[in-house]
Amino acid sequence: KAGVTQTPRYLIKTRGQQVTLSCSPISGHRSVSWYQQTPGQGLQFLFEYFSETQRNKGNFPGRFSGRQFSNSRSEMNVSTLELGDSALYLCASSLDGGELFFGEGSRLTVL
Amino acid sequence: AQSVTQPDIHITVSEGASLELRCNYSYGATPYLFWYVQSPGQGLQLLLKYFSGDTLVQGIKGFEAEFKRSQSSFNLRKPSVHWSDAAEYFCAVAPNGATNKLIFGTGTLLAVQP
Repeated sequence: KAGVTQTPRYLIKTRGQQVTLSCSPISGHRSVSWYQQTPGQGLQFLFEYFSETQRNKGNFPGRFSGRQFSNSRSEMNVSTLELGDSALYLCASSLDGGELFFGEGSRLTVL
Repeated sequence: AQSVTQPDIHITVSEGASLELRCNYSYGATPYLFWYVQSPGQGLQLLLKYFSGDTLVQGIKGFEAEFKRSQSSFNLRKPSVHWSDAAEYFCAVAPNGATNKLIFGTGTLLAVQP
């Protein structure tokens, strides 16, 4: 069974640009959550999608957005990038209410 | 607000020695508690979880954790550490049972000496 796949694994952007990250959950998992991991703030919950609907949202500005498609694949977008957005973005999928399975993350560097 | 505290940022143990990683939580009701491990360049892997019942929980890779309500703690233990256990360990709580919306501690980086 394939795990959670995140693309791209590494990317570099400049301030003011936008970025889209993709997450393919484990087959059959309908819940996808996103987390931001930075050395200063640690792991912080961004949002969670279930059946194409945002079900939970963390405390991040509106520049951070996401969506989920009918096949449960999810994307997150960050607009008007700031230096502080440099982080490892982790996606996790679950059946719903069960164990979270994390991908290896997308490492974003903002210059 | 719910929070998780891992007081030890960095711990070094010798291979074969026992290990205890501390975790304290702040939550009114009985929390759902988790321990995850992250190896360099990897995502997080669940070691074990506590929802209810027996307060001593067994996990993968020989780890266990004990829930102590009186101390608001959920410490992770392993009787004999292997070099492959070197990684970062995160304690997490699921507020209001929302297991998809975890609050993580700041992590404890474990180094293992030969």
